[in-house]
Amino acid sequence: DGGITQSPKYLFRKEGQNVTLSCEQNLNHDAMYWYRQDPGQGLRLIYYSQIVNDFQKGDIAEGYSVSREKKESFPLTVTSAQKNPTAFYLCASSTLAGETGELFFGEGSRLTVL
Amino acid sequence: GEDVEQSLFLSVREGDSSVINCTYTDSSSTYLYWYKQEPGAGLQLLTYIFSNMDMKQDQRLTVLLNKKDKHLSLRIADTQTGDSAIYFCAETSYSSASKIIFGSGTRLSIRP
Repeated sequence: DGGITQSPKYLFRKEGQNVTLSCEQNLNHDAMYWYRQDPGQGLRLIYYSQIVNDFQKGDIAEGYSVSREKKESFPLTVTSAQKNPTAFYLCASSTLAGETGELFFGEGSRLTVL
Repeated sequence: GEDVEQSLFLSVREGDSSVINCTYTDSSSTYLYWYKQEPGAGLQLLTYIFSNMDMKQDQRLTVLLNKKDKHLSLRIADTQTGDSAIYFCAETSYSSASKIIFGSGTRLSIRP
């Protein structure tokens, strides 16, 4: 079945460590996105990419980095510069040719900093 | 920047109708969406409405759009325990470069 796979589902990190969250899609979608979700704050856009080897900062990019070397993959690195990284991270994708711009989401990765 | 607002909580009795409200600021919105998030999972698109429509019905779901007041609502008829979730209102427009702006989500809980 087509879909978006995020891993790991749960991740614990010590302060000062970088961690990378994986996001893979087999929907042949052009665009991919990373959102951060905190209780009562909804979804905030971290980075997005509309084409391979290109990506743009979202509203809260500081302390994060991404790469888009393949159409199917859009990994997110949470660096030690991110001051408050404990959150639920959601990856999404969409087809730019689609009329409605619907986003398809993965199941999320919950990062906890100890 | 553009903003989407919704109340954080709603509690309804099983079998009643639920109405979740949302307001937005972008006057050039093209599509408005309702997404559902079950505990510990990603979001799934429930329904959407194009900005030149004022109503859309899909089985138990009715979406109403008041473009003048920039108000969107989602009505769920005959609410069931399986409807317990967080519901996100979202919008996109040409002015936001087709990025989707999400509200903070409304947590719907069902009373027996």
